[in-house]
Amino acid sequence: DTEVTQTPKHLVMGMTNKKSLKCEQHMGHRAMYWYKQKAKKPPELMFVYSYEKLSINESVPSRFSPECPNSSLLNLHLHALQPEDSALYLCASSLLAGGPNEQFFGPGTRLTVL
Amino acid sequence: KQEVTQIPAALSVPEGENLVLNCSFTDSAIYNLQWFRQDPGKGLTSLLLIQSSQREQTSGRLNASLDKSSGRSTLYIAASQPGDSATYLCAVNSGAGSYQLTFGKGTKLSVIP
Repeated sequence: DTEVTQTPKHLVMGMTNKKSLKCEQHMGHRAMYWYKQKAKKPPELMFVYSYEKLSINESVPSRFSPECPNSSLLNLHLHALQPEDSALYLCASSLLAGGPNEQFFGPGTRLTVL
Repeated sequence: KQEVTQIPAALSVPEGENLVLNCSFTDSAIYNLQWFRQDPGKGLTSLLLIQSSQREQTSGRLNASLDKSSGRSTLYIAASQPGDSATYLCAVNSGAGSYQLTFGKGTKLSVIP
């Protein structure tokens, strides 16, 4: 299984809502990543988890809260988002964090904040 | 700071043509380089990964080359098909302790039937 899955595919939320994005992989990878991609722009790294511990937080606002409950699962909890947070949120995984490790991406969650 | 540039930003070719997409990067100290395909509103599909010690990789009609010393990579697509229409992204994995991929802005390819 070389697949990274993400749910939901689409999400519409108001600025006062709380929602979560979910990412799962069963490739035995120990590094997982969240990226944000705005329209017609390349993906931007948000967070990196290595062995279920947060390794990198790229100065992301606290209204985005990541969680890695186990080695296969990565969540992104959303609260009090702004309309400018509307984007495609991509999850990726690699065997290990950093170094010459290929990253595998999921299909993304299209988030719209009203 | 690593910077990745992709030229051209957009390319339109008739079906059946061979084509080359270009990627350049400023810091040659890389672990590897990945080429991705992205369809509109979709995630990234990894096409080819070239490690820094390699010169090229091939998969079907795709061939990617890497010249680390000059900071360049090319993606060659043979006998293009309408189904190849997508945005192609080049991403560089740089340096010890680096976790992130540095992406180019992509080349949007349209293959006209």
